[in-house]
Amino acid sequence: QKEVEQDPGPLSVPEGAIVSLNCTYSNSAFQYFMWYRQYSRKGPELLMYTYSSGNKEDGRFTAQVDKSSKYISLFIRDSQPSDSATYLCAMRAPSGGYQKVTFGTGTKLQVIP
Amino acid sequence: EAGVAQSPRYKIIEKRQSVAFWCNPISGHATLYWYQQILGQGPKLLIQFQNNGVVDDSQLPKDRFSAERLKGVDSTLKIQPAKLEDSAVYLCASSLYDRGPYEQYFGPGTRLTVT
Repeated sequence: QKEVEQDPGPLSVPEGAIVSLNCTYSNSAFQYFMWYRQYSRKGPELLMYTYSSGNKEDGRFTAQVDKSSKYISLFIRDSQPSDSATYLCAMRAPSGGYQKVTFGTGTKLQVIP
Repeated sequence: EAGVAQSPRYKIIEKRQSVAFWCNPISGHATLYWYQQILGQGPKLLIQFQNNGVVDDSQLPKDRFSAERLKGVDSTLKIQPAKLEDSAVYLCASSLYDRGPYEQYFGPGTRLTVT
């Protein structure tokens, strides 16, 4: 079983739709939870960063963490064609004095005008 | 603030050849990471440096991959000899810290094709 599971998609939605992206994890030591956006032929860029269970909102994006269920989500409201990208979840856990990052496989999102 | 720089952007080599990638992190960032991203997968950490010391190289295939970070700044990743399964994007990232809340900044990556 992988430490982090993410549906690879692809996910295709019409412009203006609400998008829900999800990851599950098995390692209860994960402390920090991130969502990255990766455009084609570019490096990942950080979108959202959460430390504890609950919700965090930033503009059209909301990150949700449920540690009891080992489940994280990213919601995108009023999706735009410019949101078309691969979304990677990532999690960090302490490991020998530093923090080790584990990425999901990414979900490819296409927002159709 | 300049971002993470990587070169070359693309490289095509034949199997059993050697290749090297270069990374210049954001100025002042103590931690540098090399990731391998195979098509359709998430980035996999190959090696993490704190200044010029190795923090984690547990997933680096040490029989063919090597990496160094000169004077705690620039870094090179080398593959010798390359195999077909090494075809991937090699991402370099840097961060100011390696614990607590911190952000990793990624470079554009080097796309390697091994034929």
